[in-house]
Amino acid sequence: EVQLVESGGGLVQSGGSLRLSCAASGFSFSTSWMHWVRQAPGKGLVWLSRIDSDGISTSYADSVKGRFTISRDNARNTLYLLMNSLRAEDTAVYYCARDGHNYSFDYWGQGTLVTVSS
Amino acid sequence: QSALTQPASVSGSPGQSITISCTGTSSDVGGYNYVSWYQQYPGKAPKLMIYDVSNRPSGVSSRFSGSKSGNTASLTISGLQAEDEADYYCSSYTSSSTGVFGGGTKLTVL
Repeated sequence: EVQLVESGGGLVQSGGSLRLSCAASGFSFSTSWMHWVRQAPGKGLVWLSRIDSDGISTSYADSVKGRFTISRDNARNTLYLLMNSLRAEDTAVYYCARDGHNYSFDYWGQGTLVTVSS
Repeated sequence: QSALTQPASVSGSPGQSITISCTGTSSDVGGYNYVSWYQQYPGKAPKLMIYDVSNRPSGVSSRFSGSKSGNTASLTISGLQAEDEADYYCSSYTSSSTGVFGGGTKLTVL
């Protein structure tokens, strides 16, 4: 069974940092591209970032470029999102998702809530 | 990276068909056959319903279908059922090698 389990969310002050983790199991993590997506309370989905299977190529949404860093450890089957300079508008549930085909997301974690207090 | 445009809400009666549109630009929806659709219930993670414009993942009902014309993609749900009431999001690959979602559409089954 495919499982993606996010952790690391919580309450952080504006300007602070947080690192999210996404533990993967049940599929070949080391050959899968992975993404982070977030959803602010009561709002829609927003794509944030993507990393290729080797961890060499990454891309980011303009809203987080320069502040967030996606990375992965294939030996630990774990995806990360390092978030710096956090703002109130970064408050959201953060999901990791597997790229199934061409930026379609076929498996999702349950999400982890990040709350940034101002 | 502007969000794709979806209607905020659509509704239909059980047994009817509804269509949700998703409008982008030639840099995303119109430029690639990489549009996907997601169903999301409140408090739950999204579920992939359609990928690459019109392909259904294993286990997704054949009542769900996707298409695209120019810069607009569409999700059609036929034989509407009460359990289809949810939020639906479209997504596309972009020419900047990023992803982009639509604003979401709330489907109400009357």
